[in-house]
Amino acid sequence: NAGVTQTPKFRVLKTGQSMTLLCAQDMNHEYMYWYRQDPGMGLRLIHYSVGEGTTAKGEVPDGYNVSRLKKQNFLLGLESAAPSQTSVYFCASSPVDYGYTFGSGTRLTVV
Amino acid sequence: RKEVEQDPGPFNVPEGATVAFNCTYSNSASQSFFWYRQDCRKEPKLLMSVYSSGNEDGRFTAQLNRASQYISLLIRDSKLSDSATYLCVVNERLDFGNEKLTFGTGTRLTIIP
Repeated sequence: NAGVTQTPKFRVLKTGQSMTLLCAQDMNHEYMYWYRQDPGMGLRLIHYSVGEGTTAKGEVPDGYNVSRLKKQNFLLGLESAAPSQTSVYFCASSPVDYGYTFGSGTRLTVV
Repeated sequence: RKEVEQDPGPFNVPEGATVAFNCTYSNSASQSFFWYRQDCRKEPKLLMSVYSSGNEDGRFTAQLNRASQYISLLIRDSKLSDSATYLCVVNERLDFGNEKLTFGTGTRLTIIP
């Protein structure tokens, strides 16, 4: 049982490039989330999904898009990367009655 | 004002000592509360939930004071392995059953041999 798997684990992008971060969970959880973590800021919610085919904006959604075409996968896209998006990105999933499981994170640097 | 506030520390505590962390939250409608632990360069992991009646899990005790909007975590007989950042987390129930977890910035704890 892998839990929540994020790929890639590390990535360096040039300003203006695009990329997609993949989150996959094998626990049949309904809810999935994308957070970013920056020094001194704590974890901030980017987007979330309450079920297959649904997405919603979180606290800091600008510059990101998401899709949840399959229940087990939640994709986070950066259309035109900016240095301000340098961060550690965590995906999490939970069943309807909460209890978050986090992935191991993706360290993204935009230069 | 931040929704969830914690003292960032660092707390440097000798092994075997007792240490307490506090956390305040601003939204009185918050419904559930947690402490997460995060090791350096790792993902957060749930340490324990926090209930109004207080709850204990081994050496860890969590307390909630709704009137003062205050959460605490007490660690007794601290171990070297307790060194980590402790995140205070508050859950708000939104509309249509959606929920939002708000994380504090964390309190860094280092246990000294």
